[in-house]
Amino acid sequence: AQSVTQLGSHVSVSEGALVLLRCNYSSSVPPYLFWYVQYPNQGLQLLLKYTTGATLVKGINGFEAEFKKSETSFHLTKPSAHMSDAAEYFCAVSVLTSGTYKYIFGTGTRLKVLA
Amino acid sequence: NAGVTQTPKFRVLKTGQSMTLLCAQDMNHEYMYWYRQDPGMGLRLIHYSVGEGTTAKGEVPDGYNVSRLKKQNFLLGLESAAPSQTSVYFCASRTDLLDNEQFFGPGTRLTVL
Repeated sequence: AQSVTQLGSHVSVSEGALVLLRCNYSSSVPPYLFWYVQYPNQGLQLLLKYTTGATLVKGINGFEAEFKKSETSFHLTKPSAHMSDAAEYFCAVSVLTSGTYKYIFGTGTRLKVLA
Repeated sequence: NAGVTQTPKFRVLKTGQSMTLLCAQDMNHEYMYWYRQDPGMGLRLIHYSVGEGTTAKGEVPDGYNVSRLKKQNFLLGLESAAPSQTSVYFCASRTDLLDNEQFFGPGTRLTVL
C-alpha cells in the first residue's frame, strides 16, 4: 500500500540556518511528489512538485527538494531560514494504482524559526 | 479567478444539529475533495468526487454526506453533528491530470458543542 512518512512533527531551526524537512514514500509505481505549505489560519498552497525530468526541483520562497528513487525520499531544503518560513509543511504523493487514483498526504511537519 | 472558496468560514453547532458546508471552484476542475484537519493528524480525506454527479468515500466518511450536482460546487453535509466533528474543514480541487496539484480553499472552522 502507498504511504507517506514525514519524520519529525516539529522542527526548530535558527534564523539563517539550513532547513531540512524529511519525506519518505512507499509506492510500487513511480509517484508524483508534492510539497505544500500551510501558514496559520490558511489553506495549503503548493511549494513545489516533482513529476518527471530533473530530480532537483526548485520551488517558491527559495525552497527546493530532491527526488531520490533509490532512497524513496523527497526531502525539502532551504539554505537559510527566514522568520516568515514558520509554517506547517506537508508532503504528498499522487499515484495511479490498480486503476484507482490516490492522493496521499503526510501528517505534516511544523517548522519553528528561532530569532 | 476566485479559486476555491468555502462558506461559511466559522460555525458553532449544538450536538444533533445539521448543517451544510459549501465549496465552490471557478477553475473548471474535475476532481474535488473534502478534508478535515485535526491537531497532530494531518489531513484526512472525508469524501471526494471525480466529476459532476459522482462521489466516493475517503478515509473518514462516517457522519458526513456529500453531493456534486454541479461541476463547480461540492457540498458537505453533517446530518446530526457530534463533538467529534469539531475540526477545520478544507475543500480542494484539481484537474484530472495525475501530476497536477490540489488547490485548497481557506477552510471552515467548525465547533460542535
